[in-house]
Amino acid sequence: GAVVSQHPSRVICKSGTSVKIECRSLDFQATTMFWYRQFPKQSLMLMATSNEGSKATYEQGVEKDKFLINHASLTLSTLTVTSAHPEDSSFYICSASSGGAAETQYFGPGTRLLVL
Amino acid sequence: GENVEQHPSTLSVQEGDSAVIKCTYSDSASNYFPWYKQELGKRPQLIIDIRSNVGEKKDQRIAVTLNKTAKHFSLHITETQPEDSAVYFCAAQAPGGFKTIFGAGTRLFVKA
Repeated sequence: GAVVSQHPSRVICKSGTSVKIECRSLDFQATTMFWYRQFPKQSLMLMATSNEGSKATYEQGVEKDKFLINHASLTLSTLTVTSAHPEDSSFYICSASSGGAAETQYFGPGTRLLVL
Repeated sequence: GENVEQHPSTLSVQEGDSAVIKCTYSDSASNYFPWYKQELGKRPQLIIDIRSNVGEKKDQRIAVTLNKTAKHFSLHITETQPEDSAVYFCAAQAPGGFKTIFGAGTRLFVKA
């Protein structure tokens, strides 16, 4: 089956620093990647849709200057949390789709971010 | 935009019993409905999905039904086992952008 990796799995940083999270599709080309945020015991909240070679589409309420997304290739998308604050602490999960009429998304293992 | 409602939020069953989780969606254009299982601290795993041209789909102990008219879909797990304990999410996807909207999740406890 399709494999999606995410790195790092866990990161602790100081308030004000930036953190980059990588999402890779290992055995397929991902035309579209999605970034989600999940708070404890809550659902996955879509942050943005990332298409290779174009600007990401952000969901309402998500600051694009705060959460920078780059999808430079068909196998890699990155999410950078800029000037992180404690309220940005969360579980960030990416998913990837290879496109098609109705396409399954394959999730990465997630990145747990803790901002001190 | 799409809105997915999921019930119940918590479900506790005895091992061997059946579990049913129900979802509704708002966007009649949605045509793909996956179900994911997520264990604590892990990634969501697709367990079954159904497309809008099908009313029912079954895979061993898991089945999903879809009522397009009522915009309802449900997950049925039969002969539940303790390892079925997890959080289950329903989701709906509209055509075109593949954007998937998730329900709030159901925490299933299967008691041995």
